[in-house]
Amino acid sequence: GAVVSQHPSWVICKSGTSVKIECRSLDFQATTMFWYRQFPKQSLMLMATSNEGSKATYEQGVEKDKFLINHASLTLSTLTVTSAHPEDSSFYICSAPRTQTNTGELFFGEGSRLTVL
Amino acid sequence: AQSVTQLDSQVPVFEEAPVELRCNYSSSVSVYLFWYVQYPNQGLQLLLKYLSGSTLVKGINGFEAEFNKSQTSFHLRKPSVHISDTAEYFCAVRAPAGGTSYGKLTFGQGTILTVHP
Repeated sequence: GAVVSQHPSWVICKSGTSVKIECRSLDFQATTMFWYRQFPKQSLMLMATSNEGSKATYEQGVEKDKFLINHASLTLSTLTVTSAHPEDSSFYICSAPRTQTNTGELFFGEGSRLTVL
Repeated sequence: AQSVTQLDSQVPVFEEAPVELRCNYSSSVSVYLFWYVQYPNQGLQLLLKYLSGSTLVKGINGFEAEFNKSQTSFHLRKPSVHISDTAEYFCAVRAPAGGTSYGKLTFGQGTILTVHP
């Protein structure tokens, strides 16, 4: 079964509103989680690294004030898209390593499709 | 920095035929290599990975891949495909560095495999 879960799977919102997406590790603790964005028919692009107990690390070109990340506990990271606009519509996927080693497999959530009208 | 090139954006094939999905990578350091599968509107599932050792890696669902260091390739193969193999496949690399960079996967553009009856 799934070891990383995202919620919601689908969300439609009006332009200018904020949307929160949750990523949970189900049976393990994850001090680090990763947030990816996938545009239609394109690959996944790493947005940021979510760190429990400290600030997230954003990739170059990702607006930290636009995409707020909070790693509230060892099993939960949230991504909030603030003042969403149609260009923010995308498929957002989180992942977490099950073991804290570089050979640890990354488990991916089911993804959250955001549509901004 | 690493980069990944998947040479075919789409691969159509008939059921029970063999298939090869090509992946080439570029990196100034040794990397770990992965193949993931993504079904529509879902997250990613690990098919197989190469960390070290034998260059021929066997994964789930009958897939295998061969790491070729001299050609910097990691092609995915299956001797006989099924309709259920229809999905998008992503090749990814990760540098075995320490610290927070260990989770940063760099993905290829993806290859859509369509299996026809």
